[in-house]
Amino acid sequence: SQQGEEDPQALSIQEGENATMNCSYKTSINNLQWYRQNSGRGLVHLILIRSNEREKHSGRLRVTLDTSKKSSSLLITASRAADTASYFCATLLSGGYNKLIFGAGTRLAVHP
Amino acid sequence: GAGVSQSPRYKVTKRGQDVTLRCDPISSHATLYWYQQALGQGPEFLTYFNYEAQPDKSGLPSDRFSAERPEGSISTLTIQRTEQRDSAMYRCASSLRLNEKLFFGSGTQLSVL
Repeated sequence: SQQGEEDPQALSIQEGENATMNCSYKTSINNLQWYRQNSGRGLVHLILIRSNEREKHSGRLRVTLDTSKKSSSLLITASRAADTASYFCATLLSGGYNKLIFGAGTRLAVHP
Repeated sequence: GAGVSQSPRYKVTKRGQDVTLRCDPISSHATLYWYQQALGQGPEFLTYFNYEAQPDKSGLPSDRFSAERPEGSISTLTIQRTEQRDSAMYRCASSLRLNEKLFFGSGTQLSVL
């Protein structure tokens, strides 16, 4: 079973546009992480936001976390064709479980 | 090592055979995770190690699956009496310590015929 669910499942945009992906989860977390995966290759860590943080930035990435709604969003600004990939949110359960649980992912296609 | 290394990259086996997959994490990384990923899906948690301890193996699908990390470094995932439904990408990841970001290997693609 997966704790996080991304929305939308797929997103298609033009270069230069912004892309927003959402993640909802079910139980209390220690932190939430976003990963990128290109064409079935290895997963690459993008950003980690802790449960006591509300927003974090890294380059063109902006992540928000709303623990009251159990949701997070990933915003990629000024998208590029190279951003085409699958994006996964992963939640680290609180309570000492130390399990990092991944969602099913959002497939982003950025067209030149 | 410079990154997480997994071997073999591809493994084709016949149903009923045992297979062992290997993961060599980044040196000095305390924590090591195993995931199973089906095509088009997110990674499914199997188990994790903190040094040589294995606090959680709740994600292992059946008792045919086992993992070891005897010296707190290299880990192996063994699947006994493989079945076709075991066909998937098996991914290993390590982190410096608990609750930190993961570094993933390239995975082992297992095909059970």
